[in-house]
Amino acid sequence: DVKVTQSSRYLVKRTGEKVFLECVQDMDHENMFWYRQDPGLGLRLIYFSYDVKMKEKGDIPEGYSVSREKKERFSLILESASTNQTSMYLCASSPTLPAALNTGELFFGEGSRLTVL
Amino acid sequence: DAKTTQPPSMDCAEGRAANLPCNHSTISGNEYVYWYRQIHSQGPQYIIHGLKNNETNEMASLIITEDRKSSTLILPHATLRDTAVYYCIGSYSGGGADGLTFGKGTHLIIQP
Repeated sequence: DVKVTQSSRYLVKRTGEKVFLECVQDMDHENMFWYRQDPGLGLRLIYFSYDVKMKEKGDIPEGYSVSREKKERFSLILESASTNQTSMYLCASSPTLPAALNTGELFFGEGSRLTVL
Repeated sequence: DAKTTQPPSMDCAEGRAANLPCNHSTISGNEYVYWYRQIHSQGPQYIIHGLKNNETNEMASLIITEDRKSSTLILPHATLRDTAVYYCIGSYSGGGADGLTFGKGTHLIIQP
């Protein structure tokens, strides 16, 4: 089975701290994604990456950066955490396949719930 | 991604078929319809997708209207474990390299 592992299920940080959220996938997928999920707003895409060292902004990149030094690992960085970044963060991955084989499936981790005090 | 509209919540009795509707009147000809679900405290899980034809897999069936403006996800024999938020998404590439745009979905509650 595909496994997407997020390093921490629950984190509590203070305003102004630098926060790293780590995500590792074991299926050699090219594409990786970071979403945040808030009540009433659904999932929103923060950043994604389609290759090592490549990154693209999603819908809400402000206040975040990412790092993809290795294919299996995609890190989300909050340079200076703020209370409005309290949220559930979800990492996902997907393979790049020929159109005829592409199911369009994203594989998600279990999420990291971050609280910024 | 195409804009989709789903009811915010639905109930279904355990053992009955759960039929979840989705309107996607602005979907373009080569956009697929994807369904995911999210059980509480877990990440979303892919269920099924389709373009024009009806599709069935071990989890569910997807019925797409001929004009492609709406679709229905069918869980044939709902169980309590099917209680979740179900997302309907229109997309060219699915996961692909661009991700998916998730709306608010339908909270399906299976009643014992």
